[in-house]
Amino acid sequence: EIVMTQSPATVSVSPGERVTLSCRASQSVRSNLVWYQQKPGQAPRIVIYDASTRATGIPARFSGSGSGTEFTLTISSLQSEDFAVYYCQQYNNWPITFGGGTKVEIK
Amino acid sequence: EVQLVESGGGLVQPGGSLRLSCAASGFIFSNYAMTWVRQAPGKGLEWVSSITASGGTTYYADSVKGRFTISRDTSNTLSLQMNSLRADDTAVYYCAKGMTNRWWTFDSWGQGTLVTVSS
Repeated sequence: EIVMTQSPATVSVSPGERVTLSCRASQSVRSNLVWYQQKPGQAPRIVIYDASTRATGIPARFSGSGSGTEFTLTISSLQSEDFAVYYCQQYNNWPITFGGGTKVEIK
Repeated sequence: EVQLVESGGGLVQPGGSLRLSCAASGFIFSNYAMTWVRQAPGKGLEWVSSITASGGTTYYADSVKGRFTISRDTSNTLSLQMNSLRADDTAVYYCAKGMTNRWWTFDSWGQGTLVTVSS
């Protein structure tokens, strides 16, 4: 099973600041990596797929990069609606696995 | 507009059974792979089971293999039959739709249905 490790677990950021979230895979997942955003009481929402492609309706301030085992999600200027938990997910190998999540909270 | 509406959750005793359903609309259901993902209270996301668009191939997490069965029908419904339920199956269960040509990338999710396994 591929283990997905996200860091940090929690990050405190002020609105308007830039934040970078990390996701590491225990073995290569090529670019088969997805990022989701989840707000309290809501279902997850896709943000980035194929490691770096923004999903429909996702603002340009979100960007993803990486391949193989190291991935990042960057939010260039945090807006109030971006405070949430972010999960990475690999689908290169079965079973599909998610990272433990990074909570982006208001500083 | 894609809509996924789960139902069937509730309180069940350990060892009991429950059948979850996900009613899909707004897209050609038979063209897309579908997946169940769960989230225990206060925890992260856990993949549970997936089924291809044709229904011909299914996949299960080791934690549910032999106890859960995923299926789909021509009435645009995805189902998850859950038997021999345990306390650690307690979670919100989401159904999720795969993307075109990226079956295991989930671009739409339902609102979830809560399953509580407790005596």
